[in-house]
Amino acid sequence: IVLTQSPGTLSLSPGERATLSCRASQGFGSPFLAWYQQKPGQAPRLLMYDASARATGIPDRFSGSGSGTDYTLSISRLEPEDFAVYYCLQYGSTPFTFGPGTKVDL
Amino acid sequence: QVQLVESGGGVVQPGRSLRLSCEASGFTFNGYGMHWVRQAPGRGLEWLAVISHDGRRQFYADSVKGRLTISRDNSRNTVFLQMNTLTAEDTAVYYCARDVGRAWNYADQWGQGTLVTVST
Repeated sequence: IVLTQSPGTLSLSPGERATLSCRASQGFGSPFLAWYQQKPGQAPRLLMYDASARATGIPDRFSGSGSGTDYTLSISRLEPEDFAVYYCLQYGSTPFTFGPGTKVDL
Repeated sequence: QVQLVESGGGVVQPGRSLRLSCEASGFTFNGYGMHWVRQAPGRGLEWLAVISHDGRRQFYADSVKGRLTISRDNSRNTVFLQMNTLTAEDTAVYYCARDVGRAWNYADQWGQGTLVTVST
């Protein structure tokens, strides 16, 4: 299953809303989709799982939605620490696959 | 707290083999599946393999099947990745990550990674 993320890069300012898309080439047993955040030189950090559940400690400005083959990660008001690369992962069908990532930058 | 510490990376010549290790602490290791994920320089994440909590089941990405082997030793709280016939395309940071359950789920905790460079 191939995941496509769009846009490749999202240029925004603090306080703005970010909307990231993840689309699958076929269904994979929705809602088995997770989102990760990665900053330079760091390991990925789990943000969302099961498409819309926030991981422990993740602020509520992050939200996820979607089903079937189309999923969205939204950040309601960007904070300076949110500028990073975001990856989606499908874990409903083996082999698991990541999307190519969306970079959110200033 | 959960800690995952990878080791075994370094510079290796093309065609050679390498075994990576990931030592876990801070949780009941034999209750969780474990994953390996890699990231080539400047590239995205690539999921490689998962092993069930008891080591009985493994699954691999198509791109590495037959060349990489995931295993674990629950007595040592360690998961391994055996990599054979390495090429330049295997140059990457390799992360181990803990499955949220016994296997076949998302990963919720990650190590800091170990760098493998395949070069003459």
